[in-house]
Amino acid sequence: RKEVEQDPGPFNVPEGATVAFNCTYSNSASQSFFWYRQDCRKEPKLLMSVYSSGNEDGRFTAQLNRASQYISLLIRDSKLSDSATYLCVVNRGSGYSTLTFGKGTMLLVSP
Amino acid sequence: NAGVMQNPRHLVRRRGQEARLRCSPMKGHSHVYWYRQLPEEGLKFMVYLQKENIIDESGMPKERFSAEFPKEGPSILRIQQVVRGDSAAYFCASSSQTGIHEQYFGPGTRLTVT
Repeated sequence: RKEVEQDPGPFNVPEGATVAFNCTYSNSASQSFFWYRQDCRKEPKLLMSVYSSGNEDGRFTAQLNRASQYISLLIRDSKLSDSATYLCVVNRGSGYSTLTFGKGTMLLVSP
Repeated sequence: NAGVMQNPRHLVRRRGQEARLRCSPMKGHSHVYWYRQLPEEGLKFMVYLQKENIIDESGMPKERFSAEFPKEGPSILRIQQVVRGDSAAYFCASSSQTGIHEQYFGPGTRLTVT
């Protein structure tokens, strides 16, 4: 089983749509979780950390289910500028700073 | 805006040459991480350094690759005797002591081996 698994997509949605991405991770000792976005040929940029209670930042909502080792990202009211690859990221285990990245899910928002 | 800086942004080397990639962390950050992204692949962790110390090099190939983060100056990722398979984007990230898991990335160095 891969350490971090994501559906590669692409997800093609119209502007204004709501879209959800899912991610599973294999290391039950992981304690820190993030979503990053990466535009084509650019560096990854931190979108949001994911907390156990779930958290929201504007149009973005992240959820964590530790029992199922599952993370989700919900984007409401999609904008053209949301088109990017979304990376699910977990730390390697208790006390570890290093991160493991999923391969990403591509989102394409069309007019 | 003192973000993470990397140079050069593009580097072309012939097989057998050496490549040196530099990374200056964000101001106030003392932790540096190097990642490699092969075409159509995800980011792979290579090495984690603090000033003058290698903390975790479990992702680093055993041969030809080395990294350092000296007391003064940028972190350096060095690849000796490059081969075509080393062609990739190399990203550096940094984090602060307190936000140790939130890493901020530089623009990357795209290495092409001809």
